[in-house]
Amino acid sequence: DGGITQSPKYLFRKEGQNVTLSCEQNLNHDAMYWYRQDPGQGLRLIYYSQIVNDFQKGDIAEGYSVSREKKESFPLTVTSAQKNPTAFYLCASRGGRGISGYTFGSGTRLTVV
Amino acid sequence: EDQVTQSPEALRLQEGESSSLNCSYTVSGLRGLFWYRQDPGKGPEFLFTLYSAGEEKEKERLKATLTKKESFLHITAPKPEDSATYLCAAEPSGGYNKLIFGAGTRLAVHP
Repeated sequence: DGGITQSPKYLFRKEGQNVTLSCEQNLNHDAMYWYRQDPGQGLRLIYYSQIVNDFQKGDIAEGYSVSREKKESFPLTVTSAQKNPTAFYLCASRGGRGISGYTFGSGTRLTVV
Repeated sequence: EDQVTQSPEALRLQEGESSSLNCSYTVSGLRGLFWYRQDPGKGPEFLFTLYSAGEEKEKERLKATLTKKESFLHITAPKPEDSATYLCAAEPSGGYNKLIFGAGTRLAVHP
């Protein structure tokens, strides 16, 4: 079955540590996105990529970095510069006519310890 | 500024008690309005896309409608398994494939 796989499901980060969240899709979608979800807030866009080797900052990119070396993969690194990283992170993709909006992964919950 | 606002934040219903969730949007030219369902600890799951005012879509106990400023998700005779957070998102015409999400409505249906 086609879909988006995010890993790990749970991740714990120590102060000053960089961590990388994985996102892989086998839907042959061109566009991929990273969102952050906090309680009581809407999904906020961190980074997005429309094609391989190209990506743009979203609304809250500070303290995060991404790469898009392959169509299938869009990893997100949460750097030590991100002062409040505890959140639920969602990866999404979109392709074709996009009539269903995004296809989402199952999310990664990141906690600072 | 493009914005999507959902109300109420939380809704508690008895099984069989019908109600509606509201999604108000302010975007520069609406390309599409999307509804998703999200269960705790999981990613959102697509429900409906609406494109123009007056359009309606139905799926089981859910019906989504669209006006020029709002969308409603009507839930008829809900069951406990309908309990979830319902997210609304709008795609502006110049949004480069980006969706703008509301904060969601947490629905709890009790037997």
